[in-house]
Amino acid sequence: AQRVTQPEKLLSVFKGAPVELKCNYSYSGSPELFWYVQYSRQRLQLLLRHISRESIKGFTADLNKGETSFHLKKPFAQEEDSAMYYCALSNSGYALNFGKGTSLLVTP
Amino acid sequence: NAGVTQTPKFQVLKTGQSMTLQCAQDMNHEYMSWYRQDPGMGLRLIHYSVGAGITDQGEVPNGYNVSRSTTEDFPLRLLSAAPSQTSVYFCASSYDRQSGPYNEQFFGPGTRLTVL
Repeated sequence: AQRVTQPEKLLSVFKGAPVELKCNYSYSGSPELFWYVQYSRQRLQLLLRHISRESIKGFTADLNKGETSFHLKKPFAQEEDSAMYYCALSNSGYALNFGKGTSLLVTP
Repeated sequence: NAGVTQTPKFQVLKTGQSMTLQCAQDMNHEYMSWYRQDPGMGLRLIHYSVGAGITDQGEVPNGYNVSRSTTEDFPLRLLSAAPSQTSVYFCASSYDRQSGPYNEQFFGPGTRLTVL
């Protein structure tokens, strides 16, 4: 069975500090992994896909198949990064299996 | 492009009432899906469709019904509302034949439903 685990419900950091949002997955095949972000009162939007290997808004995420992890990182957090972050897995393309989400709060 | 649209934005129902949440997309996407978002639970898949006339159940389908008569529309029906269905409902779509199946899922703005 596929599963996505985000161990932290809430992560609070100071502005300028590094941030790492953890995501672990269980899946027997080759998963497609994503990070979605939901800012206050807005719809979910894609932040990163592992196959793109890109940096968006200063965030990066590397797929580690050995540790079955896809942690989201940013070296210097900004207040506008405060949001709900969801790690998600797709094995088919038609739908996503989401983690429970991590609420990131960046305080000045 | 309007993207993925959902109506209504807010709804209050009494236990036992039925209603339909509307979802439409104008991106010519093959795949559409419905999720519910609950605090501490993340988003859970209710139903999905891989094309017009084809639907299937997700993780939490009980109490909900869907149909896909056109590519654009994917309504979600609550047959007899229960307080446990109080949630925020998101519709999403993905996959046009040019971009391939593992492309971005686009989400609607959500419908906040309260069942009393």
